[in-house]
This record gives sequence, structure tokens and C-alpha cells, in this order.
Amino acid sequence: GENVEQHPSTLSVQEGDSAVIKCTYSDSASNYFPWYKQELGKGPQLIIDIRSNVGEKKDQRIAVTLNKTAKHFSLHITETQPEDSAVYFCAARSNFGNEKLTFGTGTRLTIIP
Amino acid sequence: GAGVSQSPSNKVTEKGKDVELRCDPISGHTALYWYRQSLGQGLEFLIYFQGNSAPDKSGLPSDRFSAERTGGSVSTLTIQRTQQEDSAVYLCASSSTADYTEAFFGQGTRLTVV
Repeated sequence: GENVEQHPSTLSVQEGDSAVIKCTYSDSASNYFPWYKQELGKGPQLIIDIRSNVGEKKDQRIAVTLNKTAKHFSLHITETQPEDSAVYFCAARSNFGNEKLTFGTGTRLTIIP
Repeated sequence: GAGVSQSPSNKVTEKGKDVELRCDPISGHTALYWYRQSLGQGLEFLIYFQGNSAPDKSGLPSDRFSAERTGGSVSTLTIQRTQQEDSAVYLCASSSTADYTEAFFGQGTRLTVV
């Protein structure tokens, strides 16, 4: 089955700086890669996703890159703000009809004011 | 409803008791997932439904865990003879078959076994 590894487990950055979180996956059949943000006491919320037919996707301060050959994908947050502090999870899923999302172990991001 | 709804939001139970956790998916979503999140940990897959059938039960930790889904909508996760190691947040998510990519999560049920 799929295995997703995520690094780092914790990350502290100064407000205004950029943050990068990296994930690798094992199943070459995976072709959907979402990123979720989880705030304390809440369920995970999708912030951005990418499919395997593109290499990069941006949404304002957030971007995701995908390298299918190397089987890794990354989340980039620019101009970080205190409200970006949360736990971020990457995930991967095969496109064979609603199969499960396999999640990374999460990154606790702290933005230092 | 507007989002995935889970109930109860918190549940404290005595060791050995049975508990039922409920998930109301987004209307029209045919896929439903249960995950478990222990304190400070990642999301552990439990079971996935497509309609009322469960093609993937591989994540259920033991035979004390079971889940069902009726009418292609509400799902119930049942834990029998609860143990302290069952304490965790149980998360439910749903997604649409028509756009079977984005999964929306509920707020979770925090289960504490004492």
C-alpha cells in the first residue's frame, strides 16, 4: 500500500518569512495530492491540492509543487502570518475510484511574531 | 447540511463499555471515510464506504471495531468493550463520486476511555 513520509515534524519561522514542508510517497499509481491544515480542536481543512498532470499550483500565498519522477511534493507558504500557525498534513491517493487518502504524519508550523 | 457533521463532539466512557459514533456526510456524497487521530499524531485510516458497502476495512484495529452505513448517508462507527488505547479523536470525511477528489472532514469526536 501507499506510504507517505512528511518532513519536518515541527517548523518555526519568523513572521513574513517562507515555510516549506516536504512529502514523499511510495505508490507510483497515486495521482492526487492534497494538503490539509488542522487548527486546534478542529477537523483538517483542505487548503490546496494538486493532480499528477501538473507540476505546480498556486493560490495566493500558498503553492504546491510535484515531482512525479522523484515521487515527492512540497507545500510552500510565503509571507507567513500568525494565523498560518497550525498542523499541516500532506496526503496521497490513487485514482481508482475513491480509494483512501494516506496521510503524512503532520508538521506543526509555528509563526513567530 | 452544509458540512460533515459528527456526534457527539465529546464522549467519555468507562473501560469495557460500548460506544457509537455518528457521521452525517455532506448531502449527495457517496464516499465516506473514518480516520482516527491519537493525541499529537497523524491520521490513521480505519474504513471507507462507497455507498453502503465498505470495499476497504483494512484499517479497523480489531474485531471490536465495526462500522455501517445506511441509505448511502449516515454512518455509525461502533467500538465494543472499549479500552484505554481507543482514546483518540475519530474523524469522518466525505467526498463526491462526481468529483472524487476533495474530501471534507467533520470536526471529529473526541473519545476518552477511563
